[in-house]
Amino acid sequence: DAGITQSPRHKVTETGTPVTLRCHQTENHRYMYWYRQDPGHGLRLIHYSYGVKDTDKGEVSDGYSVSRSKTEDFLLTLESATSSQTSVYFCAIRAGTGKSNYGYTFGSGTRLTVV
Amino acid sequence: AQTVTQSQPEMSVQEAETVTLSCTYDTSESDYYLFWYKQPPSRQMILVIRQEAYKQQNATENRFSVNFQKAAKSFSLKISDSQLGDAAMYFCASSRNNAGNMLTFGGGTRLMVKP
Repeated sequence: DAGITQSPRHKVTETGTPVTLRCHQTENHRYMYWYRQDPGHGLRLIHYSYGVKDTDKGEVSDGYSVSRSKTEDFLLTLESATSSQTSVYFCAIRAGTGKSNYGYTFGSGTRLTVV
Repeated sequence: AQTVTQSQPEMSVQEAETVTLSCTYDTSESDYYLFWYKQPPSRQMILVIRQEAYKQQNATENRFSVNFQKAAKSFSLKISDSQLGDAAMYFCASSRNNAGNMLTFGGGTRLMVKP
């Protein structure tokens, strides 16, 4: 189902190069999230946003930065990619307003390989 | 901080039979949500079921139901009449109902369905 898209779907990059992953939503949701998925760890939160220009760190934020200049776009940047950042990255949006939480919708993920 | 634990890395079930996946969580909050997500080989994260902590009634969605034991901080998922398409990784997750509303995941359980 549409509503949230991630790009690119796959990327291979070299150590030390900057990388930006894009998340785009058409649902006008306030909250957006970036997670990474590694074997044995489930999904771990990198950064999240609670509005335009409003972002905060998650559990594994070192080496990552984010930006949100528009409601629909949430960018994740690896300033200088390292092999430890090889992972699958998911963007998510939260449905519901106020205290109502109807669940989170995830993008299809980006598989990033740092060589 | 919230933690979510899934103690079964792998489970298997015979087609048409019932299987229960375990999940325990730890939180000091009184207002939170619990979720089960399914991740098939396609990598897509699919919401299976959602439970509001203040509701004592267990959530159900067709063949999927939960056993929510709030005092024990347990949230197990029961899949009835298992189908081959149920084979996937299953993640238990919790979300506090406060600023950020971040989703915290368990490590996942891989479910195999035998024909």
